[in-house]
Amino acid sequence: AQSVAQPEDQVNVAEGNPLTVKCTYSVSGNPYLFWYVQYPNRGLQFLLKYITGDNLVKGSYGFEAEFNKSQTSFHLKKPSALVSDSALYFCAVRDVDTGRRALTFGSGTRLQVQP
Amino acid sequence: GAGVSQSPSNKVTEKGKDVELRCDPISGHTALYWYRQSLGQGLEFLIYFQGNSAPDKSGLPSDRFSAERTGGSVSTLTIQRTQQEDSAVYLCASSPRAGQEKLFFGSGTQLSVL
Repeated sequence: AQSVAQPEDQVNVAEGNPLTVKCTYSVSGNPYLFWYVQYPNRGLQFLLKYITGDNLVKGSYGFEAEFNKSQTSFHLKKPSALVSDSALYFCAVRDVDTGRRALTFGSGTRLQVQP
Repeated sequence: GAGVSQSPSNKVTEKGKDVELRCDPISGHTALYWYRQSLGQGLEFLIYFQGNSAPDKSGLPSDRFSAERTGGSVSTLTIQRTQQEDSAVYLCASSPRAGQEKLFFGSGTQLSVL
């Protein structure tokens, strides 16, 4: 079985400060990992993915995420938060070694960036 | 169209009625997914189609839920005898192929069962 945990329902950060949104995963094989963002009144958008290779993945809007196999984590980061980053963020995983193609999503973390 | 299109955007129905939700994926995308997003919860996988392969129905919560994909393009999610707990946003997504490709999501159908 594959699962994702996002331990924080909400993260608050001041504009200009670094931000981290946490994600841990569980798979029996090797993972493909994804971050998606949902802005208010808009659909889910892809941010970045880890498939293989470099553990630090860079994505859209200045976001990056670091794959840590030993800690089974894939935390989302950004060096300097913007108010416009305020949104709902979802981590997702797919177990590569199973036949299942569908992504399993976490429960989401609401990021609030204060001016 | 340019993106994944879902209709209707909002649906209000009475308990016990059947509803059909439609998804038009991006042209040429062979993989199509249905997810459900309930208030305060994450995305719950429902069903996945890939080309002509048998769909992965492992996420359908009960036999009241079914989906089909005609001609490898448009998909319809049907909920029979709706219950109040079916109220949620139903999201459709497509991707060029299954696996490592990113998903393109529609704006969803907000279903309210009274």
